Amino acid sequence: GAVVSQHPSRVICKSGTSVKIECRSLDFQATTMFWYRQFPKQSLMLMATSNEGSKATYEQGVEKDKFLINHASLTLSTLTVTSAHPEDSSFYICSAKKTGGAQEQYFGPGTRLTVT
Amino acid sequence: GDSVTQMEGPVTLSEEAFLTINCTYTATGYPSLFWYVQYPGEGLQLLLKATKADDKGSNKGFEATYRKETTSFHLEKGSVQVSDSAVYFCALTTDSWGKLQFGAGTQVVVTP
Repeated sequence: GAVVSQHPSRVICKSGTSVKIECRSLDFQATTMFWYRQFPKQSLMLMATSNEGSKATYEQGVEKDKFLINHASLTLSTLTVTSAHPEDSSFYICSAKKTGGAQEQYFGPGTRLTVT
Repeated sequence: GDSVTQMEGPVTLSEEAFLTINCTYTATGYPSLFWYVQYPGEGLQLLLKATKADDKGSNKGFEATYRKETTSFHLEKGSVQVSDSAVYFCALTTDSWGKLQFGAGTQVVVTP
């Protein structure tokens, strides 16, 4: 068990539009989920920590009004990239921690966003 | 702040060769250390972990020992297979939430 899915796996959007990415824990409950961004041939950069029923905590330098995170249930967190620009093109990855579990994070397969 | 440094890739090996990927860290407090693996087209998977000094994590023939004196957590495997071709990430957390700080990742390519 401990499967995390992301939808969509790939998305292309036009500059100025908004895109929503879903992250679901399929077989466990996750009070805490994380959103990462990965640039080509680079490491994962933590964007924000998402806690069910409360506001997300953003890392320094991440615009909270641009990257809207909603964690409305114990199995779903969403990341909305608002007014996307080409520089937002990246690979977005989510992870989830089991409620009441250890520190281990379970990762989704990622979403490739391309803004044209 | 906390950081993780791991050797750059790609590392290219022949099947059955010995693999070492170096990882060193700087951290305040006492971090937990992890190795994650990302196979082509898949999400990151936890490979092994160690939560205190001198702990050895092991899984699928891979091992890493938490060395506090050298602030290192090098990954080793005695005999690699083609199926071990992947990107390997060293990571740490010192945070009660479990927020991870990742190294840059090392691509490993194993040829038959």
